[in-house]
Amino acid sequence: GAGVSQSPSNKVTEKGKDVELRCDPISGHTALYWYRQSLGQGLEFLIYFQGNSAPDKSGLPSDRFSAERTGGSVSTLTIQRTQQEDSAVYLCASSPEAMNTEAFFGQGTRLTVV
Amino acid sequence: DAKTTQPNSMESNEEEPVHLPCNHSTISGTDYIHWYRQLPSQGPEYVIHGLTSNVNNRMASLAIAEDRKSSTLILHRATLRDAAVYYCILRDVYMEYGNKLVFGAGTILRVKS
Repeated sequence: GAGVSQSPSNKVTEKGKDVELRCDPISGHTALYWYRQSLGQGLEFLIYFQGNSAPDKSGLPSDRFSAERTGGSVSTLTIQRTQQEDSAVYLCASSPEAMNTEAFFGQGTRLTVV
Repeated sequence: DAKTTQPNSMESNEEEPVHLPCNHSTISGTDYIHWYRQLPSQGPEYVIHGLTSNVNNRMASLAIAEDRKSSTLILHRATLRDAAVYYCILRDVYMEYGNKLVFGAGTILRVKS
């Protein structure tokens, strides 16, 4: 079976443009996470979806960031009016359920804002 | 959220065992101890998790102190491929909303040949 798939793998965008990053979780996984990792830094939690519950958006750095998860499967992270400080690797992970199960990570999308 | 403390970095020789410590003095009774690692230029990968008893799997062993205030990830024979950042994370199984996976700074493990 396929793992967590993220697209695109690389994205270069101009400052001020909007970007959409996609995450295809492992089929049947109810929990989905988005993280951001700037160069040489740790993983910064952004948002967490669990089943049909309202997402935990506590990690989103500003209102330019939003995410949705349609049909409990595919998720899209949208960054509006991108800034240079948004440049980072954006990682998605999914797990079968929220509690005490292994989370599987995608390879990430490397976003560069020029 | 219960916090963990790990050394910033450690170094090991290839083929030797590595003991990676983690302190979690404020751990609650329902917190599981999870370990992940992140190889260079890759997303994190799960290593092992446990509650009270020591745990073994094909990748590593997890030794948990009797009072659960600390734990140690043991790599029995380090290889160059084990060079990575290792994260110790607490997850409360009974949090009402489920529990998000939050990473700290981790320990950078360097393996010398």
